[in-house]
Amino acid sequence: EAGVAQSPRYKIIEKRQSVAFWCNPISGHATLYWYQQILGQGPKLLIQFQNNGVVDDSQLPKDRFSAERLKGVDSTLKIQPAKLEDSAVYLCASSAMGGGGELFFGEGSRLTVL
Amino acid sequence: AQSVTQLGSHVSVSEGALVLLRCNYSSSVPPYLFWYVQYPNQGLQLLLKYTTGATLVKGINGFEAEFKKSETSFHLTKPSAHMSDAAEYFCAVIRTGGGNKLTFGTGTQLKVEL
Repeated sequence: EAGVAQSPRYKIIEKRQSVAFWCNPISGHATLYWYQQILGQGPKLLIQFQNNGVVDDSQLPKDRFSAERLKGVDSTLKIQPAKLEDSAVYLCASSAMGGGGELFFGEGSRLTVL
Repeated sequence: AQSVTQLGSHVSVSEGALVLLRCNYSSSVPPYLFWYVQYPNQGLQLLLKYTTGATLVKGINGFEAEFKKSETSFHLTKPSAHMSDAAEYFCAVIRTGGGNKLTFGTGTQLKVEL
């Protein structure tokens, strides 16, 4: 069974530029999550989708971050314009309905903002 | 709101020694508790989880954790450390009925020395 796929693995941009990350969850997983992991910290939930609807985006900085999950499968997270403090690893995860809370994570997309 | 606190951001043990990584939780309702491991440049992988039932939970790679309600703890242990256990370990909690929103601790970096 294929795992959670993310791209790109690494991205370096200048501040005020834009960037987009893509995630393809495990087939059949209804719930998709984007987490931000800053160096030395635990992952922080940015947004949670159930199929193509948003369940929780309370910690998403909506003035610069956006995410969508069209057709309830893959998802894109965009940052525009980027700030220095957005340097982090962006982790995508998915889970099955009734999965008992087990999330399956991709390898992450490491963003460096200069 | 539920949260977890991991005591010790860095733990160092000798190969063959006991591994003990500490996690205390705060939750107003019975929680689901998890330990995830993250190897360098990889995503998070589930080690073990506690939902209901037996309070001693066994996971992969010889790790186990015990849910102690009286101490609000869920410490991770392994009798004998191996070099391959060197990684970052995250404790996490989901509030039951909380829509699978996983909240992570700040992580503990485990170093295993010869």
